[in-house]
Amino acid sequence: GAVVSQHPSRVICKSGTSVKIECRSLDFQATTMFWYRQFPKKSLMLMATSNEGSKATYEQGVEKDKFLINHASLTLSTLTVTSAHPEDSSFYICSARDVGGAYNEQFFGPGTRLTVL
Amino acid sequence: GQNIDQPTEMTATEGAIVQINCTYQTSGFNGLFWYQQHAGEAPTFLSYNVLDGLEEKGRFSSFLSRSKGYSYLLLKELQMKDSASYLCAVLDSNYQLIWGAGTKLIIKP
Repeated sequence: GAVVSQHPSRVICKSGTSVKIECRSLDFQATTMFWYRQFPKKSLMLMATSNEGSKATYEQGVEKDKFLINHASLTLSTLTVTSAHPEDSSFYICSARDVGGAYNEQFFGPGTRLTVL
Repeated sequence: GQNIDQPTEMTATEGAIVQINCTYQTSGFNGLFWYQQHAGEAPTFLSYNVLDGLEEKGRFSSFLSRSKGYSYLLLKELQMKDSASYLCAVLDSNYQLIWGAGTKLIIKP
């Protein structure tokens, strides 16, 4: 199946700093990538849909100035958590849709665990 | 509104069979996915149904009834490694994935 990488896998930062998370589709092109957030024992919460070459579409309640998304190429999307605070600590997962795939399914990166002190 | 329901938790015995149900109410339907997620890891794709009926893939099978807004994931010959959360997700008319809260499956020896 298609492979999506995510970097870093784990990050610990001080409150007030910014953190950038990269999501790459390794063996396919993804015009659309998705950023999710997951709290312990909860389901995935879609934060935004990242479209190559255009602005991201944010879900209701997600601050676009705090969670900056850039989809600069067909294989790379980045999420920057600006001025991170402890409540931003979470598991962030990206996914990419393989439009050439048999099922149009989303393939997930391994996730990034963010801890803000 | 859009809604996907699945049981919060299920327990089964190693070697047995378990069926995880999912009911949905969404604006449009372009397919239903089942994903497996182990603790601390990202979800991995298990199955996709867009037409009514049963899709079998090894020990796992997935069933869909569009008229009833219902699907199930059937796991046979359960192994300890099958202990995980199983997420049901529907692709709506905007091709957005609507996620269920997941079913935590506990396998006992």
